[in-house]
Amino acid sequence: DADVTQTPRNRITKTGKRIMLECSQTKGHDRMYWYRQDPGLGLRLIYYSFDVKDINKGEISDGYSVSRQAQAKFSLSLESAIPNQTALYFCATSRAGGTNEKLFFGSGTQLSVL
Amino acid sequence: SQQGEEDPQALSIQEGENATMNCSYKTSINNLQWYRQNSGRGLVHLILIRSNEREKHSGRLRVTLDTSKKSSSLLITASRAADTASYFCATVYTGANSKLTFGKGITLSVRP
Repeated sequence: DADVTQTPRNRITKTGKRIMLECSQTKGHDRMYWYRQDPGLGLRLIYYSFDVKDINKGEISDGYSVSRQAQAKFSLSLESAIPNQTALYFCATSRAGGTNEKLFFGSGTQLSVL
Repeated sequence: SQQGEEDPQALSIQEGENATMNCSYKTSINNLQWYRQNSGRGLVHLILIRSNEREKHSGRLRVTLDTSKKSSSLLITASRAADTASYFCATVYTGANSKLTFGKGITLSVRP
């Protein structure tokens, strides 16, 4: 079983719709992240959370919101989807306790906004 | 954006050859990490090198870090077709509160 699980794997939606991408983890990590990947642009950080009561904006948070429902769950919402939010979205986790921690990634959600 | 920049953007080699990929960054770092991504899948951590380290090895991987030049290289020795993937460098900048900043990636193709 995957340690970091993202649902759904693929999603097609229409402009203006609200959608939620979900992430759950069994690694027991405190820190969770949402990234988006666009061809030729690498990964960009949307939001991150260092514990259940901590939410922080990344470099591209406009148009997105998140909810950290529990240590193991971190959801990303698009309030009103637009076509340029079409991308591959990744959830990732890491342990707390310093700067030398590696990330563990989910398998990604491919989102298409028509 | 404080992204690292990988070089080259794409690399095609024959199986058995060595693959060298480079990464440059802009400001002081706590550590630099390399990740691998198979087509359309999640990234997998390969190796981490701290700012006070100059070289690390892991199996067929060798990573070097030159903080004076703000650059790192990833060497994959005796490449295999299964090494075909995208490779990303990621940095934790000093004062960045542990957040990783990723480069745009290098596409490596290993021909059988």
